[in-house]
Amino acid sequence: AQSVSQHNHHVILSEAASLELGCNYSYGGTVNLFWYVQYPGQHLQLLLKYFSGDPLVKGIKGFEAEFIKSKFSFNLRKPSVQWSDTAEYFCAVISGGSNYKLTFGKGTLLTVNP
Amino acid sequence: EAGVTQFPSHSVIEKGQTVTLRCDPISGHDNLYWYRRVMGKEIKFLLHFVKESKQDESGMPNNRFLAERTGGTYSTLKVQPAELEDSGVYFCASSLNNSPLHFGNGTRLTVT
Repeated sequence: AQSVSQHNHHVILSEAASLELGCNYSYGGTVNLFWYVQYPGQHLQLLLKYFSGDPLVKGIKGFEAEFIKSKFSFNLRKPSVQWSDTAEYFCAVISGGSNYKLTFGKGTLLTVNP
Repeated sequence: EAGVTQFPSHSVIEKGQTVTLRCDPISGHDNLYWYRRVMGKEIKFLLHFVKESKQDESGMPNNRFLAERTGGTYSTLKVQPAELEDSGVYFCASSLNNSPLHFGNGTRLTVT
């Protein structure tokens, strides 16, 4: 069965620090990759997605992610975080022809201190 | 447009009781999904409706869980009788065909 691993359970940064959250998936075929974010008290929101094409994907709020097929990775990055980025971040994958059955990682809680 | 709404936002019940969660998808979205996050674990797929039909219910944990979507609009997820391990956050999502899922805020279920 496919799985998604997020390397960090809790990341604490100061404002203006750079961010990289790791995500690896286990599936050898074609995948669609996603990062979702859940701000405190809010719903899960799509940050960015990769279906095909340029492996460097830009999303909302200055986030980007790079799909590296050889490493089965889809790490999320942001050059300079803000206090408002404090949230829980989820990596997810769809594979095997499914267009709806997301497999999620366990999530990474990001705390940005002002 | 109004987003996916879920009710209640939080429910606390005793073991053995029944709870019904409700999800109102975005208007016009034929696809409706239920996911669940048990504390400390991943968000996991439960089932998928296309209009009123269950397309895939492979993630439903057992027969204590019953999901319905009468008329193809809102959906309910009933847990009867609830057990301690059912505690978690239940997410609903909806989508148009081949478009990303839009999630609701979730219902936090606590079974004591």
